Amino acid sequence: AQTVTQSQPEMSVQEAETVTLSCTYDTSESDYYLFWYKQPPSRQMILVIRQEAYKQQNATENRFSVNFQKAAKSFSLKISDSQLGDAAMYFCAYVRGETSGSRLTFGEGTQLTVNP
Amino acid sequence: KAGVTQTPRYLIKTRGQQVTLSCSPISGHRSVSWYQQTPGQGLQFLFEYFSETQRNKGNFPGRFSGRQFSNSRSEMNVSTLELGDSALYLCASSSGTVMNSPLHFGNGTRLTVT
Repeated sequence: AQTVTQSQPEMSVQEAETVTLSCTYDTSESDYYLFWYKQPPSRQMILVIRQEAYKQQNATENRFSVNFQKAAKSFSLKISDSQLGDAAMYFCAYVRGETSGSRLTFGEGTQLTVNP
Repeated sequence: KAGVTQTPRYLIKTRGQQVTLSCSPISGHRSVSWYQQTPGQGLQFLFEYFSETQRNKGNFPGRFSGRQFSNSRSEMNVSTLELGDSALYLCASSSGTVMNSPLHFGNGTRLTVT
């Protein structure tokens, strides 16, 4: 079975600084996708960034970027120029190829605090 | 375009009762999936429906069931409620698969079983 591990239950960062959230996963599949979602106090899960396993280039979305190390099965999220609105619970998620539909496996989450 | 709507937002039930949660996906989305979120188990996949057919199912007992209607709205039912069913239930919709269409989540239904 696929597993996703986030080893940092809590992280904090100063406003405008950079923070990196860690995620590792375990799979024997070659075709899969990885995601980072954020969940603010409103409870709604919001997609931050996604990465296709077959792409070697790391995904980037504005201030958010990933470091995808396929061989090491590592998928970390870097948030640059942190803003107060970035404070939330962040979840790393994995889905197997096309046949898995929307069946995501989530990590335990990392609670990010942004200090002014 | 309206987002994913889940009703009700909060629900309190007694052990042994049954409950039905509702989810209205984004217009045009044919896939609806359900997740259970608890402090102990985290986020766990319940099931997914696509065009009224169950496409995927997680490892939950048969007390958890769902369905999808022709307008893509979905309901989730939990029978014979147990204290451990207390959780935030999240619904998500997409137009296809999560690979080609991102999941859009609702704000969830907070179920408390007493």
